Amino acid sequence: AQSVAQPEDQVNVAEGNPLTVKCTYSVSGNPYLFWYVQYPNRGLQFLLKYITGDNLVKGSYGFEAEFNKSQTSFHLKKPSALVSDSALYFCAVREGAGGTSYGKLTFGQGTILTVHP
Amino acid sequence: DSGVTQTPKHLITATGQRVTLRCSPRSGDLSVYWYQQSLDQGLQFLIQYYNGEERAKGNILERFSAQQFPDLHSELNLSSLELGDSALYFCASSVGQGASNQPQHFGDGTRLSIL
Repeated sequence: AQSVAQPEDQVNVAEGNPLTVKCTYSVSGNPYLFWYVQYPNRGLQFLLKYITGDNLVKGSYGFEAEFNKSQTSFHLKKPSALVSDSALYFCAVREGAGGTSYGKLTFGQGTILTVHP
Repeated sequence: DSGVTQTPKHLITATGQRVTLRCSPRSGDLSVYWYQQSLDQGLQFLIQYYNGEERAKGNILERFSAQQFPDLHSELNLSSLELGDSALYFCASSVGQGASNQPQHFGDGTRLSIL
């Protein structure tokens, strides 16, 4: 079975400071990893993904994420936070090629990011 | 705008009733996924359809059923509704069967309130 843990329910950061939202995962075989953001009363918006290759992946709105296989982590980062980044962030995992769970995404419980002016 | 359309946006009904949620996937996407988001359970995968056929099943109750039609839109049917079914129901779509590396794109959801 696949699972995702986001250890922090909430992350607070000052505008202009770097931010990190943590995620660890468990999956059989190679993982496909995703970050999504959810604004109030909206659906999830895709930010970035890791499939294979470079451990540092870049995504939308200046976000990036670092894949660490030995620590089974996929932390979301941004060098300089904006107030408009305040939202609910979800990490998700899916089995890689050859897996039998097809498209099933397993999500973490979400982390509320608040960026203070 | 993700290109995934869900209707209605809000639904208020009573216990014991039946409702149908509708989803139109992005143009060109053949897979449709349904998820339930609630405060206590978080985001849970319910079911996936690919080109009209069921592909994967998650934590979907027997009172719930879904189907995907030839025009690729999908409907999620919820019956004998209980208070605990109150949640935000999301539809997502993707190009392939789901085993590809392409992300799923989500609609804005249907908020179901059971009174």
